[in-house]
Amino acid sequence: AQSVAQPEDQVNVAEGNPLTVKCTYSVSGNPYLFWYVQYPNRGLQFLLKYITGDNLVKGSYGFEAEFNKSQTSFHLKKPSALVSDSALYFCAVREGDYKLSFGAGTTVTVRA
Amino acid sequence: DVKVTQSSRYLVKRTGEKVFLECVQDMDHENMFWYRQDPGLGLRLIYFSYDVKMKEKGDIPEGYSVSREKKERFSLILESASTNQTSMYLCASSFSGVQAETQYFGPGTRLLVL
Repeated sequence: AQSVAQPEDQVNVAEGNPLTVKCTYSVSGNPYLFWYVQYPNRGLQFLLKYITGDNLVKGSYGFEAEFNKSQTSFHLKKPSALVSDSALYFCAVREGDYKLSFGAGTTVTVRA
Repeated sequence: DVKVTQSSRYLVKRTGEKVFLECVQDMDHENMFWYRQDPGLGLRLIYFSYDVKMKEKGDIPEGYSVSREKKERFSLILESASTNQTSMYLCASSFSGVQAETQYFGPGTRLLVL
């Protein structure tokens, strides 16, 4: 079965500093990987996805993610975090034709 | 913009009640999904549907059933609610396709079973 792991429950950064949210995956074959964000009292919003091609994927709100096959990682990054980036972030991998398998989530807090 | 709506934001029900959660999408998506979200567990798939009247069990289908009579609407049913079904329920939809298709989520329904 495909799966993803988010090793950090929480990430705390100061505004203006780089933000990294970690994700590792375990799949057979080529992975389709996603990042979603959930702001307080809201549903999940799509940030970006990796299917194939460039290892650096750019997404919404200034986020990007780097696919690293040798380390089986797909870390989410933002060069300069904003207070408004405080949210719950989920990494996910596609399973079969339809399903997404989600990580447990990482709570990001950006302090002013 | 894709819009996925859920019938209620908050629900309070009693143990043993039958509960209906409804989801509607306006993008003509083939696939629809029901997840539950619990702290520390991420999202877990309950059921999904890839076409009208078609459904498949997800990872945690016990205690739930679903109905998809129209393409735009996907209902989750708790036949006899129990306290361990207190959770946030999220509906999602997507196109079908060979490549990974983005899922679009509704705002969620927070269900409390007393």
